Amino acid sequence: EPEVTQTPSHQVTQMGQEVILRCVPISNHLYFYWYRQILGQKVEFLVSFYNNEISEKSEIFDDQFSVERPDGSNFTLKIRSTKLEDSAMYFCATGGQETQYFGPGTRLLVL
Amino acid sequence: GEDVEQSLFLSVREGDSSVINCTYTDSSSTYLYWYKQEPGAGLQLLTYIFSNMDMKQDQRLTVLLNKKDKHLSLRIADTQTGDSAIYFCAEREDGGSQGNLIFGKGTKLSVKP
Repeated sequence: EPEVTQTPSHQVTQMGQEVILRCVPISNHLYFYWYRQILGQKVEFLVSFYNNEISEKSEIFDDQFSVERPDGSNFTLKIRSTKLEDSAMYFCATGGQETQYFGPGTRLLVL
Repeated sequence: GEDVEQSLFLSVREGDSSVINCTYTDSSSTYLYWYKQEPGAGLQLLTYIFSNMDMKQDQRLTVLLNKKDKHLSLRIADTQTGDSAIYFCAEREDGGSQGNLIFGKGTKLSVKP
């Protein structure tokens, strides 16, 4: 069964450093998303991406965040200058018309 | 804004039925979802229901939707210890071409042998 994969599974970084989180979507999916889950809190929507551009973004997704599909397959989330409060589990999701399938997540810890 | 609420904990005995409840606020949601998260793992899509349906059954899982009360429930028949996990209810926000999901905080299901 096709799966969404994410790398790395864990990332530890220093405050102010840039991180790139990677996702390989399910191959015939056209819609891509990033969500995050801060420990003990709800899963929160960050951004959706369709047809090589951002469809929607939340208030969390400020100028420090960006997304792209650099090679038409991988879908990346970049955080330019990480803050302590960016520590969370980041989930990629990909979808067709009705459903969204989530990857296993990247646990990001900012020190 | 839209919100999804769930009770935080549920404890059942193995073999019993589990019922996890959820309320949501966005009456225009077209799809509602149940995801399962096991410790250290991602979100596994369990089942979903279209808003014009009242019920959907999939093996041991039964989803009931009361659109008037904006209430969604997930019933797990013959609950097993392997069903112990956190269960998230989510509604789809249908503003754009493929709306993002709004999640509840999750219900931690503990199954006792």
